[in-house]
Amino acid sequence: AQSVSQHNHHVILSEAASLELGCNYSYGGTVNLFWYVQYPGQHLQLLLKYFSGDPLVKGIKGFEAEFIKSKFSFNLRKPSVQWSDTAEYFCAVTLSGGYQKVTFGTGTKLQVIP
Amino acid sequence: DARVTQTPRHKVTEMGQEVTMRCQPILGHNTVFWYRQTMMQGLELLAYFRNRAPLDDSGMPKDRFSAEMPDATLATLKIQPSEPRDSAVYFCASGLSGSSYEQYFGPGTRLTVT
Repeated sequence: AQSVSQHNHHVILSEAASLELGCNYSYGGTVNLFWYVQYPGQHLQLLLKYFSGDPLVKGIKGFEAEFIKSKFSFNLRKPSVQWSDTAEYFCAVTLSGGYQKVTFGTGTKLQVIP
Repeated sequence: DARVTQTPRHKVTEMGQEVTMRCQPILGHNTVFWYRQTMMQGLELLAYFRNRAPLDDSGMPKDRFSAEMPDATLATLKIQPSEPRDSAVYFCASGLSGSSYEQYFGPGTRLTVT
């Protein structure tokens, strides 16, 4: 079965620390990859997405993610986090072509301490 | 700034009552998704519509949940009868099939069943 794994459930960082959140998927075929963010009390918003081309994708607010096909991974990174990055982060994957259900990971709660 | 709207934003009801949640997708979008988010289960896909037709409702408890799209501007999710375990935040998202698969989420309906 297709699945998305986010191994870090809760991450606590100090401001200015570097961030890397893991995302692994198990899909056969060409995939589209997403990271969504949910700030406290708000809805999910798209941070960045990968469809094809350069495997290093840059998103909003200084976030980036790298697609490593051989590792079935799409890890999210930010060099220096801010308190305002405190949120829950969801990795999502879908197969390319036609409609394919988007599968979300279980989310990683990031808490940034001032 | 086009947005997905959901009503009501909050709903408190007693067990056994009928609950109807409404979603207005972004104009021009032809896909609609219903998700349920809880602390324990995370984000779960309940139903998916494309061009108003239900394509995937495998995640929805069929005995008490129903989802419809009476027209292109309205999607509804109904629970009858409601139970305390239905307490969750219900998100609606819309998108454009054949495009980027990006989903635009609404603000959610926070449902509490007592």
